[in-house]
Amino acid sequence: EVQLVESGGGLVQPGGSLRLSCAASGFIFSDHYMEWVRQAPSQGLEWVGRTKHKSDSYITEYAASVKGRFTISRDHSKNLLYLQMNSLKTEDTAMYYCARLYDRQNDYWGQGTLVTVSS
Amino acid sequence: DIQMTQSPSSLSASVGDRVTITCQATQDIRNYLNWYQQKPGRSPKLLIYGASNLETGVPSRFSGGRSGTDFTFTISSLQPEDIATYYCQQYYALPITFGQGTRLEIK
Repeated sequence: EVQLVESGGGLVQPGGSLRLSCAASGFIFSDHYMEWVRQAPSQGLEWVGRTKHKSDSYITEYAASVKGRFTISRDHSKNLLYLQMNSLKTEDTAMYYCARLYDRQNDYWGQGTLVTVSS
Repeated sequence: DIQMTQSPSSLSASVGDRVTITCQATQDIRNYLNWYQQKPGRSPKLLIYGASNLETGVPSRFSGGRSGTDFTFTISSLQPEDIATYYCQQYYALPITFGQGTRLEIK
């Protein structure tokens, strides 16, 4: 059974940093693109970025709103996906979801982890 | 960026009604359009991929269609458990973009 479990969310001050984790199980982690999608309180979904699979050298791509501040990485020994978030802004406050990409759709999503950026 | 204009933003319908949501792309995205259902407090769930393909395990009352850059999502007979917000998503080009969402309520 495919499972994605996020962790690492919390309260952080503007300008601070936070690292989110997503534990993946039930599938071959290196064979899939993995993505982060966020949702601000009572708002819609926003794509944050992705890391490609092994065949595409795990290349990372980001939304303009986070490029240069956020970094996506993987630990294949632990089947973990990370989102390192630096220089956080109040507008980064959101629920952060990791999601698996299958072909061109997100077929599995985690339950989300809440990040609050506030002083 | 490709903009996805989803309408209506909210919808109230009765059990058994036929419900249709639309999403319009600002350019050709071929069939790279997905529909997700998000219930309150839950993560999104894939319902339709490739504009019209039903995800495994999803009830057949859900369907999707395409005409050019216009996409439709239909529930043929609304059920109480369909109360949720529905989002379209284009996966044709980066950045991946979503529609604004449609909140569906039971009348």
